[in-house]
Amino acid sequence: DAMVIQNPRYQVTQFGKPVTLSCSQTLNHNVMYWYQQKSSQAPKLLFHYYDKDFNNEADTPDNFQSRRPNTSFCFLDIRSPGLGDAAMYLCATSRDRGVNTEAFFGQGTRLTVV
Amino acid sequence: AQSVAQPEDQVNVAEGNPLTVKCTYSVSGNPYLFWYVQYPNRGLQFLLKYITGDNLVKGSYGFEAEFNKSQTSFHLKKPSALVSDSALYFCAVRDKDDKIIFGKGTRLHILP
Repeated sequence: DAMVIQNPRYQVTQFGKPVTLSCSQTLNHNVMYWYQQKSSQAPKLLFHYYDKDFNNEADTPDNFQSRRPNTSFCFLDIRSPGLGDAAMYLCATSRDRGVNTEAFFGQGTRLTVV
Repeated sequence: AQSVAQPEDQVNVAEGNPLTVKCTYSVSGNPYLFWYVQYPNRGLQFLLKYITGDNLVKGSYGFEAEFNKSQTSFHLKKPSALVSDSALYFCAVRDKDDKIIFGKGTRLHILP
């Protein structure tokens, strides 16, 4: 059974047109992450939530926003996608804070900007 | 800052042979290390982790990893490679701010 679900799997959007990617989890985990991954590179952390506490990475562009309305759902909003934002976006969860807990990843959403 | 390094972009191994994917780490304090695997167009799957205890950690799909404190390494190993092991492998470290920091990845090719 899927535990971290990302929708859609593939998203095509127009240059400059706002787009939202969604992530849901059935694990009741406190921590949720959004990563950007380009061309088989290492995933790059954009931001993460511990419960409702939002933590933005210093180098995450303002163009990227996130919402977590409840424990189960987390959204990634790209306000004005550029061609350079085309990538795989990965959502992940972790049970709690603590360095010994692994992350569980969704299947990812591949974003194409045309 | 915590970091991990994967010195090889690609590793080729013949099916049935043992495989090793290398990872070294740089951390302040105790290291908390992970290996993940990624198949094409998929998310990452957790393989194993080292927190404390035995230096040899066993994980999913027959993989294991050896923690070596003196060499600051955490190499991923498997005694007998399968073609289905071909994938992208990431070493990762967890830091005190709940972040998971990934290495650049190593593409593993198992040759039939």
